[in-house]
Amino acid sequence: GQQLNQSPQSMFIQEGEDVSMNCTSSSIFNTWLWYKQDPGEGPVLLIALYKAGELTSNGRLTAQFGITRKDSFLNISASIPSDVGIYFCAGPTYGGSQGNLIFGKGTKLSVKP
Amino acid sequence: DGGITQSPKYLFRKEGQNVTLSCEQNLNHDAMYWYRQDPGQGLRLIYYSQIVNDFQKGDIAEGYSVSREKKESFPLTVTSAQKNPTAFYLCASTPTSGAAYGYTFGSGTRLTVV
Repeated sequence: GQQLNQSPQSMFIQEGEDVSMNCTSSSIFNTWLWYKQDPGEGPVLLIALYKAGELTSNGRLTAQFGITRKDSFLNISASIPSDVGIYFCAGPTYGGSQGNLIFGKGTKLSVKP
Repeated sequence: DGGITQSPKYLFRKEGQNVTLSCEQNLNHDAMYWYRQDPGQGLRLIYYSQIVNDFQKGDIAEGYSVSREKKESFPLTVTSAQKNPTAFYLCASTPTSGAAYGYTFGSGTRLTVV
């Protein structure tokens, strides 16, 4: 079945550093979504991408929809302690705009003040 | 404010007992979902419902049951047949326009078997 592979699995960084993470699949997706989950809470949608090559920002966060439609990237600039959490990528099953979402296993981010 | 409410936040269950997790939404969303989250495992789909009085099994439905008698409510029962129920459970919903616009999640219920 379809799978989303996220890397790295975890990151330990110093406050102020930039962060990069990615999500890949063997299948084509027409939509990529990035979520953040704070400890003990539900995930919250950060950025949605709908077009190959699209680059979208939300404050210090920037996400890109890969040209091949099989990958997506999330960057966080100048990290701060509240960036701590798990970041998930997600996409609709079978690449379409309908259907259920599948999620990657997440990238766990830890920030040292 | 509109949103999804999950209750309780923490739940303890004895071996052999059934427990029911509550999920209520006032977003007027048609579709609702239940996910299970274990450390390092991501989110795994248990059950979903796209319309009242109808629901489908997800990837890990064994040992769980649901009902969808009202649009606003989608309770999940963890039965004694679930061998390893200790986990964080998340409820989500989305409008009929489809998953491409993302799910709204509740704040989760942490279930522990004692």
